[in-house]
Amino acid sequence: DAGITQSPRHKVTETGTPVTLRCHQTENHRYMYWYRQDPGHGLRLIHYSYGVKDTDKGEVSDGYSVSRSKTEDFLLTLESATSSQTSVYFCAITTGPNSPQHFGDGTRLSIL
Amino acid sequence: TQLLEQSPQFLSIQEGENLTVYCNSSSVFSSLQWYRQEPGEGPVLLVTVVTGGEVKKLKRLTFQFGDARKDSSLHITAAQPGDTGLYLCAGGRNSGNTPLVFGKGTRLSVIA
Repeated sequence: DAGITQSPRHKVTETGTPVTLRCHQTENHRYMYWYRQDPGHGLRLIHYSYGVKDTDKGEVSDGYSVSRSKTEDFLLTLESATSSQTSVYFCAITTGPNSPQHFGDGTRLSIL
Repeated sequence: TQLLEQSPQFLSIQEGENLTVYCNSSSVFSSLQWYRQEPGEGPVLLVTVVTGGEVKKLKRLTFQFGDARKDSSLHITAAQPGDTGLYLCAGGRNSGNTPLVFGKGTRLSVIA
């Protein structure tokens, strides 16, 4: 399914380093989301975007920033990674806030 | 505050058994979606229900939206090993750009 691509798929890095994850879509969908998924916590929303340069915080936004300079790309940045940010990160896209979301295959991030 | 409570959290059954998982809330939702997630992949939409009391069937899976649109259930008849996965419900709130609310999921294991 080539509509949404996350990169990298896996990354190992050290505490204190900056990390940027990329979500790329070819569907021209307006809404894009970043989630993290951890055992016992389910999917937790980090940040979302409802248009180019329009973003808002989710429930676990501390330590994360995002940018969306064009429709197809939504970047998630960890300015100074911490071990608590070790997780699997998912990007999702949709046509509307209540419409079904189409998810990427995830990025497994390990911070040592 | 977890707006959507899913139960049970874990379920392990034998092939051929029936099961029901639940998604409950004290809030009213404009729609309710069910997703299934397999290891190493993102969640994939199974169904959306939008009308109170609505029942939808997808082969051996039956989905119901509560009359008051506060809860939903997923019933699987004659479970197969291929049904194994994490089942997530998500509620839409029909309020501006407000994102979906996800439950923490039910992890189902069907043993052959």
